[in-house]
Amino acid sequence: AQKVTQAQTEISVVEKEDVTLDCVYETRDTTYYLFWYKQPPSGELVFLIRRNSFDEQNEISGRYSWNFQKSTSSFNFTITASQVVDSAVYFCALSGVNTGGFKTIFGAGTRLFVKA
Amino acid sequence: NAGVTQTPKFRVLKTGQSMTLLCAQDMNHEYMYWYRQDPGMGLRLIHYSVGEGTTAKGEVPDGYNVSRLKKQNFLLGLESAAPSQTSVYFCASRGGQPIMNTEAFFGQGTRLTVV
Repeated sequence: AQKVTQAQTEISVVEKEDVTLDCVYETRDTTYYLFWYKQPPSGELVFLIRRNSFDEQNEISGRYSWNFQKSTSSFNFTITASQVVDSAVYFCALSGVNTGGFKTIFGAGTRLFVKA
Repeated sequence: NAGVTQTPKFRVLKTGQSMTLLCAQDMNHEYMYWYRQDPGMGLRLIHYSVGEGTTAKGEVPDGYNVSRLKKQNFLLGLESAAPSQTSVYFCASRGGQPIMNTEAFFGQGTRLTVV
């Protein structure tokens, strides 16, 4: 079975703080992809990053960075020097060979509040 | 550059009424999906399609039907709406090769309230 767990339901930080959003996944597939999406208050889903199971290199994009560790089945997301515009719900997601239709399984999401 | 378009954006239904949500994509994607989003539960897959003329059940298919008569359109139907179907519905599409190396593109969502 495929499963994505985001244990943090809500996180509140003050602007300029660093914040890490946790994501733990379960899959029996050896080939799979992990994703992060952002859902701002306006409601749309914005794609942030994908990472395949063979590439454990961490990635940095501006203030965003992602740490993928297969040994702990985790794909954590860190925002450095958070800003009010980062306030949103963030979803971690998984897509594997054996999910059927290559469907994407989502975690429950972490709501991030960044206060000025 | 439309991407994925959902119609309507908002709807209020009375219990027992029926309706159809339309999803249209202009990216020539093979795969299309319908999700529902409820507070604290993330996005849950209702039905999906791997190509024109095909449909399959997801995690929470009960009470919904779908059709994919044309590649660009994926319709979600509620035959007899219930208050438990109050939710935000998202359509998504996915394409390219290899398919897993692509992200899903989402519509803007449909907020449905059943009273």
